[in-house]
Amino acid sequence: AQSVSQHNHHVILSEAASLELGCNYSYGGTVNLFWYVQYPGQHLQLLLKYFSGDPLVKGIKGFEAEFIKSKFSFNLRKPSVQWSDTAEYFCAVNAKSGNTPLVFGKGTRLSVIA
Amino acid sequence: GAGVSQSPSNKVTEKGKDVELRCDPISGHTALYWYRQSLGQGLEFLIYFQGNSAPDKSGLPSDRFSAERTGGSVSTLTIQRTQQEDSAVYLCASSFRGAHSRDEQYFGPGTRLTVT
Repeated sequence: AQSVSQHNHHVILSEAASLELGCNYSYGGTVNLFWYVQYPGQHLQLLLKYFSGDPLVKGIKGFEAEFIKSKFSFNLRKPSVQWSDTAEYFCAVNAKSGNTPLVFGKGTRLSVIA
Repeated sequence: GAGVSQSPSNKVTEKGKDVELRCDPISGHTALYWYRQSLGQGLEFLIYFQGNSAPDKSGLPSDRFSAERTGGSVSTLTIQRTQQEDSAVYLCASSFRGAHSRDEQYFGPGTRLTVT
């Protein structure tokens, strides 16, 4: 069975600091990878996704993530965070075949302070 | 509507009562998903529908939980004899294609269930 680990439960950064949120998954086959974000009081929404090609994926609002197959990782990065990036971030993975649905990590809460 | 809608937005119920939660997916989306979000637990997968059938019911936590989808559209999640540990936000999502696709899942606002 697939599983997703997000090692950071809560990250606190000052504005303009660089961000990296860790995500590791366990699954032996080929996968699609996603980062979702939930801003305070809003719905979960897609930040970016990877399914093939260039392992460095760029998403909305200046976020990017890099798929490193050998490390089973899909870390999320942003060079300079803003107060408006305060949110909860979820990594998710699904297998490219079969009926296994999207499996989410437990989320990382990011607090950006001025 | 343009997005996934869920009703009610909030539900407070007494322990032992049954509750029904409703989800209206985006029109044309064939796949529909139910998740439960508890504080510190992330998103727990409950059940997934492809059309009207549910190929994956593995996430339902007990036989008190059931779900159906009719007409390939609206879905209802029913919790019988609610317990306090059922308190959580229940999220619904839909996608154009199925669970193993690369399609984005679009989430609704959730139903906050409180069992007293």
